[in-house]
Amino acid sequence: GQNIDQPTEMTATEGAIVQINCTYQTSGFNGLFWYQQHAGEAPTFLSYNVLDGLEEKGRFSSFLSRSKGYSYLLLKELQMKDSASYLCAVRENAGKSTFGDGTTLTVKP
Amino acid sequence: GAGVSQSPRYKVAKRGQDVALRCDPISGHVSLFWYQQALGQGPEFLTYFQNEAQLDKSGLPSDRFFAERPEGSVSTLKIQRTQQEDSAVYLCASSSENQETQYFGPGTRLLVL
Repeated sequence: GQNIDQPTEMTATEGAIVQINCTYQTSGFNGLFWYQQHAGEAPTFLSYNVLDGLEEKGRFSSFLSRSKGYSYLLLKELQMKDSASYLCAVRENAGKSTFGDGTTLTVKP
Repeated sequence: GAGVSQSPRYKVAKRGQDVALRCDPISGHVSLFWYQQALGQGPEFLTYFQNEAQLDKSGLPSDRFFAERPEGSVSTLKIQRTQQEDSAVYLCASSSENQETQYFGPGTRLLVL
């Protein structure tokens, strides 16, 4: 079956760096996405990886290793507004994406 | 430009009632997705349209759930004879043909009493 694992909660300090890991086992693979979701709001797109390696976009970077079924999201220079849930999702085919249950990140001053 | 919109934003239904949830995707987006998100969990895939064609409905939990997109733009998710376990946030997302990014609507929060 489909399985995406990510830590349930993480805490970090303002200005620090945090890495959120995601491992997956899915029947198909057509890209891995990271989304940010604030409480009561819709997920918003952060990053997309389809090939192995690191994708950098400002304070956010995402890494993918397809052979290991592993990705991480790296957040630098943490700000209070980064407190949110971070969702890892694998697109299995043209239509279906499977999401993890999200990692709730709390940024403390 | 306008994002994905959904209506109603909140819906309270009595068990056994039928409900209809509407999604207006971003203009020109060919792909449309419906997800169900329970509290504290990630979105669960329900169904996927490319234009008016429903290409995957494998995530619909039962035959009480039905989705349509007759003209390839607006979509409606209908739930018949609602049950308490149907209480969740229903998210709609759309994407362009390259599908690198899905844009989510604000969701409809359904509470079945």
